[in-house]
Amino acid sequence: GAVVSQHPSRVICKSGTSVKIECRSLDFQATTMFWYRQFPKQSLMLMATSNEGSKATYEQGVEKDKFLINHASLTLSTLTVTSAHPEDSSFYICSARDSFLVWESGDEQFFGPGTRLTVL
Amino acid sequence: SQQGEEDPQALSIQEGENATMNCSYKTSINNLQWYRQNSGRGLVHLILIRSNEREKHSGRLRVTLDTSKKSSSLLITASRAADTASYFCATSGTYKYIFGTGTRLKVLA
Repeated sequence: GAVVSQHPSRVICKSGTSVKIECRSLDFQATTMFWYRQFPKQSLMLMATSNEGSKATYEQGVEKDKFLINHASLTLSTLTVTSAHPEDSSFYICSARDSFLVWESGDEQFFGPGTRLTVL
Repeated sequence: SQQGEEDPQALSIQEGENATMNCSYKTSINNLQWYRQNSGRGLVHLILIRSNEREKHSGRLRVTLDTSKKSSSLLITASRAADTASYFCATSGTYKYIFGTGTRLKVLA
């Protein structure tokens, strides 16, 4: 089955530093990847859509200069939280969509295991 | 907000009982998916139902979809302690998914 990995799984950083989170599709090519944020006991909120070779599309209210997204290859998207602050502490989850295969199950997204960011 | 809503927000049942969770959404969809998330972990895909389907089964899971009411339900039969988790519906209208608010299910042994 399709596997998506995230690295790191957990990161603790000081306020003001930048943190990079990687999302990789391991056995398929993903022209489109998605980044979500989840606060404790809340649902997943879509932050942005990452398109290979082009600029990301950000959801309303998400600061593009704070959450930098780069999708330089068909298997890797990165999310950089710049000048992180305690309120950025959250669970960040990526997902990937294989656009080249027609899945019997439909337009399914494959989710990574998530990265827990704690900003001190 | 485009986010869907689920009810109940929390549900506590005894092992062996059935659990029903409901999801309502706001816009037209192509399909709807249900996911499970154990505490602090990633998402596990449970089942997908297309907009032209009304009911789907997978093991102990039964999902219904009523597009006229913009709602879906997830039924877990003969629940087990291992089913304790948060359950989310996610709707797709185009290429991106919008998640519901989630139901936290606790199954007591």
